[in-house]
Amino acid sequence: QQQVKQSPQSLIVQKGGISIINCAYENTAFDYFPWYQQFPGKGPALLIAIRPDVSEKKEGRFTISFNKSAKQFSLHIMDSQPGDSATYFCAAKDAGGTSYGKLTFGQGTILTVHP
Amino acid sequence: KAGVTQTPRYLIKTRGQQVTLSCSPISGHRSVSWYQQTPGQGLQFLFEYFSETQRNKGNFPGRFSGRQFSNSRSEMNVSTLELGDSALYLCASSLLSQADTQYFGPGTRLTVL
Repeated sequence: QQQVKQSPQSLIVQKGGISIINCAYENTAFDYFPWYQQFPGKGPALLIAIRPDVSEKKEGRFTISFNKSAKQFSLHIMDSQPGDSATYFCAAKDAGGTSYGKLTFGQGTILTVHP
Repeated sequence: KAGVTQTPRYLIKTRGQQVTLSCSPISGHRSVSWYQQTPGQGLQFLFEYFSETQRNKGNFPGRFSGRQFSNSRSEMNVSTLELGDSALYLCASSLLSQADTQYFGPGTRLTVL
């Protein structure tokens, strides 16, 4: 059962453009939603994260928008750069007592930014 | 501060063999989680350890096991390897008080022939 659905699978944008990646979740017990960036040969690196009590969080060129009623959240990358070319994963964590650190990941989006 | 380290980085085994992977968390981190990453299934949670105790386990067969030592270092073991076990195995560590924030290592690339 895939509890976090991510789209699109791949995305191509021009340098300076806006990259938008979307995720939808099913489990209403999720209370922490991070985004990870992964380069080839590397492990995922935490990019930005949000909790359901806010609708938006911005860090530099990266913004998370969160819609609790729709159970959706998205990552916006402003002024996309070739160095942003990587695979992006959304994830979610359950606040439940037995979940502890378990992260449930989306399937990933391969972002390519053309110069 | 050094990041999460995993050894070995690459491993080639044959079907039926067993393998042990090692993970050293960031200094001071007491929680270690393991994930399997494959092109078809993406990132899937294997298990999490805290203070040498397994706190949570994903939906994997019993061939997958792990443990954590008193210094928070962790190992995972896969017995009777199958071709489908070929994957990138990732370890992540976190502080107890900031358990939401997980820091991943570079992973161990396991190939089963």
